[in-house]
Amino acid sequence: EVQLVESGGGLVQPGGSLRLSCAASGFTFSTHWMYWVRQAPGKGLVWISRITDDGRSTTYADSVKGRFTISRDNAKNTLYLQMNSLRAEDTAVYYCARASPTWENDHWGQGTLVTVSS
Amino acid sequence: EIELTQSPGTLSLSPGERATLSCRASQSVSSNYLAWYQQKPGQAPSLLIYGASSRATGIPDRFSGSGSGTDFTLTISRLEPEDFAVYYCQQYVSSPRTFGQGTKLEIK
Repeated sequence: EVQLVESGGGLVQPGGSLRLSCAASGFTFSTHWMYWVRQAPGKGLVWISRITDDGRSTTYADSVKGRFTISRDNAKNTLYLQMNSLRAEDTAVYYCARASPTWENDHWGQGTLVTVSS
Repeated sequence: EIELTQSPGTLSLSPGERATLSCRASQSVSSNYLAWYQQKPGQAPSLLIYGASSRATGIPDRFSGSGSGTDFTLTISRLEPEDFAVYYCQQYVSSPRTFGQGTKLEIK
């Protein structure tokens, strides 16, 4: 069974940093592109970052470019999101999601809540 | 960036009725790289439809997707109580992957 389990969320002050993790199991992690998607309270879904299966290529939404870094450790079956210079508007539930062989996001984690507040 | 506009914003129906949800793209979504997701309160999104019309594993056949180019539709033929949720469309043909703003399907 495919499982994605996020961790690392919490309360952080504006300007602070946080690293999210997404532990993958039940599939060959190293063969799938992975994504981070966030959802602010009461709002819709927003894609924020993507990494290729080998980790060599990454892309970011403009809203997080230069502040967030996506990475992966295929030996540990884990996806990461390093978040720096956090702002109040980064407050959201952060989901990791897998891309299927036909490219849609077929499996999602349960999400981890990041709250940026003083 | 491809913008997706979903309508209506809220749809009020009764169990047993038919639901029709629309998703319109600002430019053509080639290869029909359009997906639909269902999200219930406090839960992660779950995939319903991919490739505009293919049902994901385990999705009942009362859910169907159609459309091409810029106009796509999700139809739920006979609403069950568990179908009342928020539905999002997503295009994955180009980066950034974008989502519609969602349609809330509520019990009338």
